[in-house]
Amino acid sequence: QSALTQPPSASGSPGQSVTISCTGTSSDVGGYNYVSWYQQHPGKAPKLMIYEVSKRPSGVPDRFSGSKSGNTASLTVSGLQAEDEADYYCSSYAGSNNFEVFGTGTKVTVL
Amino acid sequence: QITLKESGPTLVKPTQTLTLTCTFSGFSLSTSGVGVGWIRQPPGKALEWLALIYWDDDKRYSPSLKSRLTITKDTSKNQVVLTMTNMDPVDTATYYCAHRPGFGSGYFDYWGQGTLVTVSS
Repeated sequence: QSALTQPPSASGSPGQSVTISCTGTSSDVGGYNYVSWYQQHPGKAPKLMIYEVSKRPSGVPDRFSGSKSGNTASLTVSGLQAEDEADYYCSSYAGSNNFEVFGTGTKVTVL
Repeated sequence: QITLKESGPTLVKPTQTLTLTCTFSGFSLSTSGVGVGWIRQPPGKALEWLALIYWDDDKRYSPSLKSRLTITKDTSKNQVVLTMTNMDPVDTATYYCAHRPGFGSGYFDYWGQGTLVTVSS
């Protein structure tokens, strides 16, 4: 099972928006609404930001939103803030044999 | 409040077997739908999904590592154990355990702090 494909980096100025893509196949991202997104600051554990494509856990700012079209999921961070600078990983269910897979990760820089 | 903490050796030799323990609190692995998973991250690299065990002892493994992994639970001790055989330097990584909240949930909502395991002779 191959990792989902994410761009290595993305950036934006404070207050702007940045969108990160997560591309898979019809066997994972495109086949199920079980895409989640995690934020990871250096030296820290990942933190759940989005689950089931577009749902936000309690406590996650509504600046974070998720969507999916075909085999590609996206995470948008609106109104960028300095603390949003981190690595972001997507994850998707991939069926009963492969089960779950993470993305390659995207480093978001706030300029 | 849900917490998880990984423990185990920080250094293992090539070909040895790694045993990691995840000790958790704030939930029970006897609750229907709940699970605990293991994820690792080599230094400077991406997350990699390893294994997951559910309340009913259903177990799932990464296809690429399935032959080397075993996941078990001790509900009475609130612990989940992951063993990985035939360790190699490429298995050097931070290993995380995480909470799977329930039926149909394909995500981990609480994570441990992680434990760095180095494989070297």
